[in-house]
Amino acid sequence: DTAVSQTPKYLVTQMGNDKSIKCEQNLGHDTMYWYKQDSKKFLKIMFSYNNKELIINETVPNRFSPKSPDKAHLNLHINSLELGDSAVYFCASSQVYPGQGYNTEAFFGQGTRLTVV
Amino acid sequence: SQKIEQNSEALNIQEGKTATLTCNYTNYSPAYLQWYRQDPGRGPVFLLLIRENEKEKRKERLKVTFDTTLKQSLFHITASQPADSATYLCALDDDMRFGAGTRLTVKP
Repeated sequence: DTAVSQTPKYLVTQMGNDKSIKCEQNLGHDTMYWYKQDSKKFLKIMFSYNNKELIINETVPNRFSPKSPDKAHLNLHINSLELGDSAVYFCASSQVYPGQGYNTEAFFGQGTRLTVV
Repeated sequence: SQKIEQNSEALNIQEGKTATLTCNYTNYSPAYLQWYRQDPGRGPVFLLLIRENEKEKRKERLKVTFDTTLKQSLFHITASQPADSATYLCALDDDMRFGAGTRLTVKP
């Protein structure tokens, strides 16, 4: 069983379209993240959710909207896609361990390569 | 705002040598720091976590140190092998913000 799974793995779409990337984790974790990795390979955090509540919301265009229907899922919807949105998007999850008070050991999905043409 | 720096974009070493990668941070005092490995086309994989009150952590050929005075963590791979070639990333505690990574190449 894949711990953190993203779909689709590849996504090619035209500018102006709206698309979604889905993420599911079966680890029972409370915290989920979305990252963007651009062509320079820098892994930039976009959003973080804890128990369906938004914790981190970095400076990303409001065309990007995360949605967490339950704590096992964190989907990313992107409106009006632009060329600069082309990147690999990673979903991840982690857990706050009882008595430790911090998140530890994030598990990442395999990534979704988004190409906007 | 906090800033994370990994000392070099790329590091090339000979097989069998020790690789040392550096992670520096500013404007922040993390409670812990994590190191990850990323292979091309894959997501990062967790390697080690070190807390602020720990000076050193080891796992097989890996060793991490954490100097809160210098605001620096060092990541060592001893007896390096070509299979260790990858990009290594550090991240600061709960924020899970990553440094730019260091691409390590171990040559036979």
